[in-house]
Amino acid sequence: GAVVSQHPSWVICKSGTSVKIECRSLDFQATTMFWYRQFPKQSLMLMATSNEGSKATYEQGVEKDKFLINHASLTLSTLTVTSAHPEDSSFYICSARAPGIDYEQYFGPGTRLTVT
Amino acid sequence: GQNIDQPTEMTATEGAIVQINCTYQTSGFNGLFWYQQHAGEAPTFLSYNVLDGLEEKGRFSSFLSRSKGYSYLLLKELQMKDSASYLCAVMDSNYQLIWGAGTKLIIKP
Repeated sequence: GAVVSQHPSWVICKSGTSVKIECRSLDFQATTMFWYRQFPKQSLMLMATSNEGSKATYEQGVEKDKFLINHASLTLSTLTVTSAHPEDSSFYICSARAPGIDYEQYFGPGTRLTVT
Repeated sequence: GQNIDQPTEMTATEGAIVQINCTYQTSGFNGLFWYQQHAGEAPTFLSYNVLDGLEEKGRFSSFLSRSKGYSYLLLKELQMKDSASYLCAVMDSNYQLIWGAGTKLIIKP
């Protein structure tokens, strides 16, 4: 149990376009989902925390107008990178937390974004 | 501020034992996690400690001392597939994970 999927697993887009990444909890309802970004040889950096039905909470330095997060249901959160630039190229990972289990986060497999 | 320190890189021999240390300073404490991450993949959960002491799970063990702000991950009978980055993360008072930079473990035959 506790499987999280992400789609797509990798994407290449042109500079200036937008890309949407989906994160789904497959066998549980996730009241909270997290979006991380990881640059090569660096650790995970939390971008934002999203709770179902409410606005996401962004970490300091993360542009909320550039990284749009929607958590419309208990099993789906989306991250849209708008007007992507080459410096947005990174590994984006989502995780989900099931209600009542404060300590466990289940990670998706990640999405490799390359902006050319 | 919040801070988690772990060595950047370690090298060990196949079949041997290696200990990866992690020290932390965070606002509140709701547990410490160890994750394994292979290159290009998402982290996978290894262990969770919230009480002092040693938790053993097969070849992997994790130790926590809350008074010292210290944890270690012990890997026994190392296998080549254990070559990966090992991430230490602390859950703070807001139940957010604060991540260390990770320790790249290189296993040599």
